[in-house]
Amino acid sequence: LAKTTQPISMDSYEGQEVNITCSHNNIATNDYITWYQQFPSQGPRFIIQGYKTKVTNEVASLFIPADRKSSTLSLPRVSLSDTAVYYCLVGDISSGSARQLTFGSGTQLTVLP
Amino acid sequence: DVKVTQSSRYLVKRTGEKVFLECVQDMDHENMFWYRQDPGLGLRLIYFSYDVKMKEKGDIPEGYSVSREKKERFSLILESASTNQTSMYLCASSPLSHGNTIYFGEGSWLTVV
Repeated sequence: LAKTTQPISMDSYEGQEVNITCSHNNIATNDYITWYQQFPSQGPRFIIQGYKTKVTNEVASLFIPADRKSSTLSLPRVSLSDTAVYYCLVGDISSGSARQLTFGSGTQLTVLP
Repeated sequence: DVKVTQSSRYLVKRTGEKVFLECVQDMDHENMFWYRQDPGLGLRLIYFSYDVKMKEKGDIPEGYSVSREKKERFSLILESASTNQTSMYLCASSPLSHGNTIYFGEGSWLTVV
């Protein structure tokens, strides 16, 4: 099982770029990396997923180095509404067991005015 | 958009009561999950189902059971609720494909008194 490690918290100011890194040293060959955003009293919401190199969508970018032992979620120009907990998830559900999926402990991002 | 609907957002039950938490997804996903989320403990998998009538124990199945009679519906059952089962419960679903894109419901807050 890939164990994941994230910073507990981060602060940023509006308009800045924020990078949150997740370490997953023993990631398996078939594992994907997925990031979620969670607001208080809501379920986690899918942000972005990748396998290697760089993935970009309308809200974020995901950088994965060649060794895949870490990944970095990049949020461009954050606003107050980006204040939330961000989780990384490593694993591959097609491997046959949800127990192979490993959630990080989450990073509380606080965006300050 | 994928929609995972949890029937109750907030419930208050008495110790010893039998509790049903219902979840429905509208994307014909094969996989469905029940997680529990507690402060400082992150997301913990209770049960997982990869097909109708199929189930697999997660990390903390004790005190819970599940039912999946139809593909779109996955129920979590607390046979005899206890105060230590006060928590937020998250239902999720995913397709049976390579990757790990899991879609979560909004959560059910259960308080056992």
